[in-house]
Amino acid sequence: NAGVTQTPKFRILKIGQSMTLQCAQDMNHNYMYWYRQDPGMGLKLIYYSVGAGITDKGEVPNGYNVSRSTTEDFPLRLELAAPSQTSVYFCASSYGTSDQETQYFGPGTRLLVL
Amino acid sequence: AQSVTQLDSHVSVSEGTPVLLRCNYSSSYSPSLFWYVQHPNKGLQLLLKYTSAATLVKGINGFEAEFKKSETSFHLTKPSAHMSDAAEYFCVVTLFGSARQLTFGSGTQLTVLP
Repeated sequence: NAGVTQTPKFRILKIGQSMTLQCAQDMNHNYMYWYRQDPGMGLKLIYYSVGAGITDKGEVPNGYNVSRSTTEDFPLRLELAAPSQTSVYFCASSYGTSDQETQYFGPGTRLLVL
Repeated sequence: AQSVTQLDSHVSVSEGTPVLLRCNYSSSYSPSLFWYVQHPNKGLQLLLKYTSAATLVKGINGFEAEFKKSETSFHLTKPSAHMSDAAEYFCVVTLFGSARQLTFGSGTQLTVLP
């Protein structure tokens, strides 16, 4: 199992550009999550999905969009990049969504918006 | 509402000496608590979790944590530090019933000196 994979590893964007951060998992997990991690801070939830076709907002969804057309993939879209979106983005997945479920994280995508 | 405070942003220890990373939480309900580790340029990996069973929780790589309700603490310890333990550690709290309510601490950077 590859676990949770993310591409790209690193990207520089100009203000106003758009891009899609890719996330895939091969563990047949129902639940997937996108987080951002700002310097010196913990992770904050952007969006999550409880299954194909179902997504919901997390704590910091503004400026982002997601879709979930398959169980395996959960891409995160930035439509108009802003400097405030400079961050490290982590995708995670879990089998369930109870408080006891372990989330498995990808290696992250480092995004710089200039 | 819930929150988690990691009391030290940086901890330095010598190899072979004990490790103590401190975490205090605030939660209106019985929480589940996790410790995750993040090695440089890697995703987060679960070290251990407390889910209302035994208050002393053993994790991977010799780490353990004790849930103390009276002190609202969940400190992470290891008897003898190894160079490979150098990483960032996150304490995480979640409300019963919903992993989307994960709240991350700001992290503690552990340095292990030779």
